Amino acid sequence: DGGITQSPKYLFRKEGQNVTLSCEQNLNHDAMYWYRQDPGQGLRLIYYSQIVNDFQKGDIAEGYSVSREKKESFPLTVTSAQKNPTAFYLCASRDRGRNTEAFFGQGTRLTVV
Amino acid sequence: DQQVKQNSPSLSVQEGRISILNCDYTNSMFDYFLWYKKYPAEGPTFLISISSIKDKNEDGRFTVFLNKSAKHLSLHIVPSQPGDSAVYFCAAFERGAQKLVFGQGTRLTINP
Repeated sequence: DGGITQSPKYLFRKEGQNVTLSCEQNLNHDAMYWYRQDPGQGLRLIYYSQIVNDFQKGDIAEGYSVSREKKESFPLTVTSAQKNPTAFYLCASRDRGRNTEAFFGQGTRLTVV
Repeated sequence: DQQVKQNSPSLSVQEGRISILNCDYTNSMFDYFLWYKKYPAEGPTFLISISSIKDKNEDGRFTVFLNKSAKHLSLHIVPSQPGDSAVYFCAAFERGAQKLVFGQGTRLTINP
């Protein structure tokens, strides 16, 4: 059945290391999004992509990078330049052509020690 | 610059009564609005949406109202049930930029 999958659910990394979070969808959606949630905070937009080989910075893109080489995949790399990487990361996808909702994955909890 | 704002971090309502969650936005280019429900350590799940050409949309116990002139929308849940206890996020979509922006969320607690 169709859906959006984030892996892994929990991720631990040492400070100073880059880490890549996976997001895969089989919903045939063109648009994909990455958000970050901190305790007591809302969802803040990191990067989004409307179509393959194209992406735009969101509101908090510093210290992150993305790629969109395939329609199904939108990986997020948290670089060592991100000052506070410990957070809950959510990926979403959406049908670009219609007024419809975005579908979310189950999230990845990244802890940097 | 917070383009979508939910000014009430929390709301407590008695079971059976109406819950009203509010949301304000600043960007006049937003043309589609959504409400999501979220539990801890899970992804948000979609509840209800409204296009900017409408002022009301209803789905069962959930109704969303949009006041474009005031740049305000609200979610009404009636009657409220204990299973409605969660964090609710308002979101707005800007068609041109394909950007989907969320508010800070409101934690709703339904008391028996």
